[in-house]
Amino acid sequence: AQSVTQLGSHVSVSEGALVLLRCNYSSSVPPYLFWYVQYPNQGLQLLLKYTSAATLVKGINGFEAEFKKSETSFHLTKPSAHMSDAAEYFCAVTSSSNTGKLIFGQGTTLQVKP
Amino acid sequence: DADVTQTPRNRITKTGKRIMLECSQTKGHDRMYWYRQDPGLGLRLIYYSFDVKDINKGEISDGYSVSRQAQAKFSLSLESAIPNQTALYFCATSVREGEKLFFGSGTQLSVL
Repeated sequence: AQSVTQLGSHVSVSEGALVLLRCNYSSSVPPYLFWYVQYPNQGLQLLLKYTSAATLVKGINGFEAEFKKSETSFHLTKPSAHMSDAAEYFCAVTSSSNTGKLIFGQGTTLQVKP
Repeated sequence: DADVTQTPRNRITKTGKRIMLECSQTKGHDRMYWYRQDPGLGLRLIYYSFDVKDINKGEISDGYSVSRQAQAKFSLSLESAIPNQTALYFCATSVREGEKLFFGSGTQLSVL
């Protein structure tokens, strides 16, 4: 069965610094990988999606993620953090069965300091 | 108006009570999902439905039941609420496999 692990439940960066949120998936290559963001008191919103068309995926708000099969990773990055990026971020993969179910990671809370 | 609407937004109930959380959507999607979110555990799937006649258990369905009354409505029930069901519950929809999920704003449930 698919699984996903996010390394670091809390990440703190200064405004303007690089953001790196880590995500590793289980060894069998999932058909789809996602990053979602959850702002306080809101539901989740899609940041970006990997579909095997390209290993570097660009999303909204300046975020991007790179799929690395050799490392079973799909880390999320942003060159320069903004205060408005403070939120919780979830990595997700589709399950092995043809159901469309998403398996979510534990989440990483991003804090951005002035 | 929101595409995926959950009611209520907040609910406090007592152990042993039966409660229902409701979800309605205007997206026209066939697939609907119920997840619960717990700090440090991410989101876990409770039930999912691909159409009115197709309902499936997720990874943590014990203690929960669902009803798909129509394409647009998918309700989650706790037959006899217990404190460890205190969580944030999300309804979501999607058009097909591999497509993004559209989430409601969530229902914060507290079981005392």
